[in-house]
Amino acid sequence: SQQGEEDPQALSIQEGENATMNCSYKTSINNLQWYRQNSGRGLVHLILIRSNEREKHSGRLRVTLDTSKKSSSLLITASRAADTASYFCATADSNDYKLSFGAGTTVTVRA
Amino acid sequence: SQTIHQWPATLVQPVGSPLSLECTVEGTSNPNLYWYRQAAGRGLQLLFYSVGIGQISSEVPQNLSASRPQDRQFILSSKKLLLSDSGFYLCAVDRGPSTEAFFGQGTRLTVV
Repeated sequence: SQQGEEDPQALSIQEGENATMNCSYKTSINNLQWYRQNSGRGLVHLILIRSNEREKHSGRLRVTLDTSKKSSSLLITASRAADTASYFCATADSNDYKLSFGAGTTVTVRA
Repeated sequence: SQTIHQWPATLVQPVGSPLSLECTVEGTSNPNLYWYRQAAGRGLQLLFYSVGIGQISSEVPQNLSASRPQDRQFILSSKKLLLSDSGFYLCAVDRGPSTEAFFGQGTRLTVV
């Protein structure tokens, strides 16, 4: 069953703007990961944040994790047309190890 | 780094026909292997996962099955396809609960 749920389902922004999407989950986790999927392709790993971490950066990406609220956010700064894709959060349950994915946020960056 | 080979890229099959999708992994040993299905515009549904040769766990009861005959080979099968089996099938590999997953490029299956 799906654990993570992303919000919003879709996001349209102008190039250069920031894009923020959120993920909520239900159970205790080992870590939370964010992935990107270009249309019709496989998923590509973006960033992993462990349950004892609160914030992590990678290039133009910033991820936060609030385990008390069971939520995470992904911020893409200074967006580019190439950032157009679907973004998924995935969680690994503390009692298990398999990844469960949310339904994703579709981001469209307009030039 | 790991490389996942998944084929075919697209497949059109009639209802009632058998299915065999293959996924092979290079660059790692004893990986965890996964089959996911993605409906159009939707998230990923975990179908099967495997932590070792011959060890398969099923997440969703259906007419699909999976096998792992070799350490780096994962096969998704069906004896008789249904229309509802249409979707985008993704093979993935990781090394454990705190590692990133690598995905193949997927197989788009259309059952007609």
